[in-house]
Amino acid sequence: EVQVVESGGGLVNPGGSLRLSCAASGFTRFTFKDAWMTWVRQAPGKGLEWVGHIKSRAGGGTADYATVVKGRFSISRDDSKNTVYLQMNSLKIEDTGVYFCVAVDSVTTNAWYHFLAHWGQGALVTVSS
Amino acid sequence: DIQMTQSPSSLSVSVGDRVTITCRASQRIGTFLNWYQQRVGKAPDLLIFAASTLKSGVPSRFSGGGSGTDFTLTISGLQPEDFATYYCQQSYSVPRTFGQGTKVEIK
Repeated sequence: EVQVVESGGGLVNPGGSLRLSCAASGFTRFTFKDAWMTWVRQAPGKGLEWVGHIKSRAGGGTADYATVVKGRFSISRDDSKNTVYLQMNSLKIEDTGVYFCVAVDSVTTNAWYHFLAHWGQGALVTVSS
Repeated sequence: DIQMTQSPSSLSVSVGDRVTITCRASQRIGTFLNWYQQRVGKAPDLLIFAASTLKSGVPSRFSGGGSGTDFTLTISGLQPEDFATYYCQQSYSVPRTFGQGTKVEIK
């Protein structure tokens, strides 16, 4: 069974920085190094918001971001540790929420269909003075 | 960015009812559409991918349909464990946007 575990959440002042880590294990259909990893967040009482993802090295290893976090957040991965990171800088009050790390799975017919298959339980980030 | 709009935002239903949730994309996305269920206090869980393919283990009372810009999630014979919030998400392009969610509540 795939396990995804986030860590590193906490309280930070506006303008501050925080780094979340996400360790994933138990993959059967593929290995961690083949997995695209995604971050999704949820503000208190609100809906889900896609933050960004990082592709596998075979997929190019690049990251894409939501418009609202581009330039402030960065995602990286260490395949030797089965871990992905979310570095959050210049944090704003509106960045407060639970941050979920998710392993992406995919199927192919005439195209690659990606979906958020394995979710962690989330890490709470509170931005407040 | 592609905007995803769900309707209704919430609905009150009874056990055994048939429920249909609609998701509309601001541009054509083929069948690059996924549905997730989130129970209170829990992480979301994948229900359907590629618009109509049920994840293994998801009960057959759930079904998805649509293509292009208009999609539906139908629950035929609502069960107590189905009271939750449902989200659609497009995987056609980045950023991979979600709908705002539809909360299914007990009448």
